Amino acid sequence: DSGVTQTPKHLITATGQRVTLRCSPRSGDLSVYWYQQSLDQGLQFLIQYYNGEERAKGNILERFSAQQFPDLHSELNLSSLELGDSALYFCASSVSVQNTGELFFGEGSRLTVL
Amino acid sequence: GEDVEQSLFLSVREGDSSVINCTYTDSSSTYLYWYKQEPGAGLQLLTYIFSNMDMKQDQRLTVLLNKKDKHLSLRIADTQTGDSAIYFCADHLPGYSTLTFGKGTMLLVSP
Repeated sequence: DSGVTQTPKHLITATGQRVTLRCSPRSGDLSVYWYQQSLDQGLQFLIQYYNGEERAKGNILERFSAQQFPDLHSELNLSSLELGDSALYFCASSVSVQNTGELFFGEGSRLTVL
Repeated sequence: GEDVEQSLFLSVREGDSSVINCTYTDSSSTYLYWYKQEPGAGLQLLTYIFSNMDMKQDQRLTVLLNKKDKHLSLRIADTQTGDSAIYFCADHLPGYSTLTFGKGTMLLVSP
């Protein structure tokens, strides 16, 4: 158990819909990262938050947004969903903003868009 | 941007050694990592090596780094069926707060 909790574990929805994925980081970790894992693209970095502030942006679509709340949990919002958004979405956390240490990953939220 | 490449699949017999290879493009990488993903689980850090090291050994794991060729390898000695998983290579560039991951190598260990 990494200490990172993600909900829901599985989600099935239709194209055009909007979903919210939730992540609770490991106790004491201030940094939260979101990654998208798909068969063709591998593990793609989406966005990072540190102590409530956005710190780095990766290949995140404009239809996607995220935030980190004062209690440090984070949410990833995916809207106007397309078939190609079907993937496994991972949240990871770390202690510091500059990640030269270990990332702790949740078990992921599997999104299926029909 | 940085690119990390791995072969996609490796199959070995139980008791053999496994070698998983990775190449990266940015020579300024400071740390290089190996993560393991078991079925239905998130990624878990296996080991890492600092860029000024050539080799790191940790029990059955040996990491070799060739900075000249930008090549990283993970050797698992006496591979067990429980080692079957996807192994990800990742690197960290200075000034960046994220890691760049390869697409992962699926290791299948047969009895």
